[in-house]
Amino acid sequence: EVQLVESGGGLVQPGRSMKLSCAASGFTFNNYDMAWVCQAPKKGLEWVATISYDGSSTYYRDSVKGRFTISRDNAKSTLYLQMDSLRSEDTATYYCARHGISGVFDYWGQGVMVTVSS
Amino acid sequence: IQLTQSPSLLSASVGDRVTLSCKGSQNINNYLAWYQQKLGEAPKLLIYNTNSLQTGIPSRFSGSGSGTDYTLTISSLQPEDVATYFCYQYNNGLTFGSGTKLEIK
Repeated sequence: EVQLVESGGGLVQPGRSMKLSCAASGFTFNNYDMAWVCQAPKKGLEWVATISYDGSSTYYRDSVKGRFTISRDNAKSTLYLQMDSLRSEDTATYYCARHGISGVFDYWGQGVMVTVSS
Repeated sequence: IQLTQSPSLLSASVGDRVTLSCKGSQNINNYLAWYQQKLGEAPKLLIYNTNSLQTGIPSRFSGSGSGTDYTLTISSLQPEDVATYFCYQYNNGLTFGSGTKLEIK
């Protein structure tokens, strides 16, 4: 059974940093591109970042370029999101998701809440 | 590509045939998926590539469309289908629609 379990969320002040982790199991992690998707409170979904199966390529939405870094450790089957210079508008639930067929997110974690507030 | 979903809120009775719409600002070339998100849960993939049913999803869910216009149909609404439904395009960038909240009348 595919499982994605996020951790590392919480309350953080504007301008500070936070690192999210996503532990994967139930599939061959290093065969899949992975992503982070966020959802602001009572809002829709937004793709945040994607990393290729081997970590050689990364992609970001414009609003997080230069502030967020996606990475992975295939030996540990773990995905990360380093978030720096956080802003109030980054407040959201962050989901770890697997890129399956044709770029579709086919499995998601349960999500972790990040609140950016003073 | 921006996606516009309609209606934003839909109320229907158990057993009804329900149709949700998703319209793109440009041609999506059938790279369109649908997700179901129940309250407090992660999204679940229902349909990908316009009309391919994800493994384990009931056959009452189906997708159709082409170009800029796509539809998710639930052939016979069940109480467990109460959720918000999002469309998602992966033809040019990765974007989600704003969602349709489906309620039981």
